[in-house]
Amino acid sequence: AQSVTQLGSHVSVSEGALVLLRCNYSSSVPPYLFWYVQYPNQGLQLLLKYTSAATLVKGINGFEAEFKKSETSFHLTKPSAHMSDAAEYFCAVRDGGYQKVTFGTGTKLQVIP
Amino acid sequence: DAGVTQSPTHLIKTRGQQVTLRCSPKSGHDTVSWYQQALGQGPQFIFQYYEEEERQRGNFPDRFSGHQFPNYSSELNVNALLLGDSALYLCASSSSRTGRNEQFFGPGTRLTVL
Repeated sequence: AQSVTQLGSHVSVSEGALVLLRCNYSSSVPPYLFWYVQYPNQGLQLLLKYTSAATLVKGINGFEAEFKKSETSFHLTKPSAHMSDAAEYFCAVRDGGYQKVTFGTGTKLQVIP
Repeated sequence: DAGVTQSPTHLIKTRGQQVTLRCSPKSGHDTVSWYQQALGQGPQFIFQYYEEEERQRGNFPDRFSGHQFPNYSSELNVNALLLGDSALYLCASSSSRTGRNEQFFGPGTRLTVL
């Protein structure tokens, strides 16, 4: 079964600093990979997705992620953190065939003024 | 476009009771998936419904059951509630027709079991 591992359950950055949230995947076939964001007491919002069309994926709110097959990684980055980026971020992989999605354990991003 | 809607938003039950959660998919979507998100955890896949049938199931006991209606809306039923069933239950919808690989999530139903 496919899986993802998110390194770091909590990440703190200063406002304006680089955001880097780490995700490694395990898959025997080319995966579909996703990053979702969850604000307190809300559902999940899709930030971006990798579907093998391009290794560098740009998403909403200035986020992007790079698929690196050699490192089995799909890290999420943003050049400059905003206070509004404070939320929990989930990396996810889509199972083959149907559309079951397997999520990582999440990383809470804190942005310090 | 209303997006994915879920009801109720919050629910409090006691152990042993039964609960039904409801989900209306995004317009044009025909597939509904349910997830359980315990506090501090990532969502865990419960099951997926397509064409009114359960198509795929995660590692959840038979106490968890569901249904999909002809209009693609769905219900999640949980019988004999346990304290450990307290969680945020998320519904996600997607389309089997577009080939796009993304699910749209609703805001969730927060279930508390006392």
